Formats: sequence, C-alpha cells, structure tokens
Amino acid sequence: EEQLVQSGAEVKKPGESLKISCKGSGYSFTSFWIGWVRQMPGKGLEWMGIIYPGDSDTRYSPSFQGQVTFSADKSISTAYLQWSTLKASDTAMYYCARPRSSSDDPFDIWGQGTMVTVSS
Amino acid sequence: DIQMTQSPSSVSASVGDRVTITCRASQTFGSWLAWYQQKPGKAPKLLIYAASSLETGVPSRFSGSGSGTDFTLTISSLQPEDFATYYCQQANSFPLTFGGGTRVEIK
Repeated sequence: EEQLVQSGAEVKKPGESLKISCKGSGYSFTSFWIGWVRQMPGKGLEWMGIIYPGDSDTRYSPSFQGQVTFSADKSISTAYLQWSTLKASDTAMYYCARPRSSSDDPFDIWGQGTMVTVSS
Repeated sequence: DIQMTQSPSSVSASVGDRVTITCRASQTFGSWLAWYQQKPGKAPKLLIYAASSLETGVPSRFSGSGSGTDFTLTISSLQPEDFATYYCQQANSFPLTFGGGTRVEIK
C-alpha cells in the first residue's frame, strides 16, 4: 500500500526551531514529488510547495519562500519541513502529499497531518 | 498567482439532493483543475482531476466539468457520507492554489 506517514504533533514556543517529517512507503520514493500543504485552524488549504526527493529540486510558493525549508533524505524515504524561527502564526495542521505523477499534478496520496502549535 | 474563488461558501442540502459547487479562476487555463473532499479531522481526498476525470474508487455520483475559468463539481444524489468540505485546486501553474472551500451541511 502506498502511504505517507507523518511525525507526531508538536508544541513549541515562538522563536524555536522545528523539523517535521513525512515517510513514504509502498512506492519508489525517489520517483515522485512530495508536496506540503498548510491548514490553519478552521481555515482552508494552502499549497506551500514541493520537493523532488530524487535530486532535492524544490519549488516554493511565494507566500512561503524564505519562511520554511523543504528537504529529503532518500536513504530513508523521508521528506522534511522545517522552520528556523517559529511564530505564533505558524500554528496549523501541515500535510505532506504526493502528486499523481508530475510536479504540477493534484495530490492523490496524503499523510495524516502533523499539528504544530506555537504558543508562549 | 491564479486566484480560485468557490461558491457558495456553504450549502445546506438533504440526502438525495443534487448539489453543484462552482470554482472560478482569476485567469484562464485549460482543464488542469482538481476537486478534493475533506471531512473533519481528516486529510483531503482527491475526487476529480483534469476537471472531469474521476479518481479511482470515487463514486460515480461525483462529476466535474468546465474549462477556461469556470468549473463545476456536481454530486448527483447526496449521500450521508458526502457531508464535508470541498476544495478546488488549479494544477496549471505554480503555486498550485486552492479555492476557499465549500461546506456541504445537512439541511
């Protein structure tokens, strides 16, 4: 079964750093892009960007460029989303997802989500 | 960025009703549009891609249409499990923006 499994919920303070993970299984991890989607509490979906684990090529949404960093470790089939300095406004559910094939395809496989809470 | 506007933002309907949700793009593109369903506390689920292609395993009561700037998701006969929030997403150019969502509620 093709699936993405994300790391658990996080509670952090403003100014702290964080790295959450998304592990792929059941398919060739280096052959598909992985995207990240933010959903703030009670709000809609926001496309943050995507990374190709095969060569770490990345595309960021302008709204998130410089605010987060995508990375991937293909040896363990895991993609990461990280912040160097968290803000309260980063509080949200974060989903990783896999496009159907190419980088601009819709997402057909989704992780279960990682809730990030940033509060003093 | 291409802005996607969904309407209505919410709709109240009964089991068996036909429900139509629209999505309008701020600029024209082909048929690179997807629809997702999201239930509370769950990840979104892909329903439709390329405007009208049904994802594997999705019931045939869901259908999509449109091209250019105007797109439609139709649920032909609403079932209890269809009460959820629906999002469109353009897959034409980065960033791949989502619509604001349409909540389908029980009447």
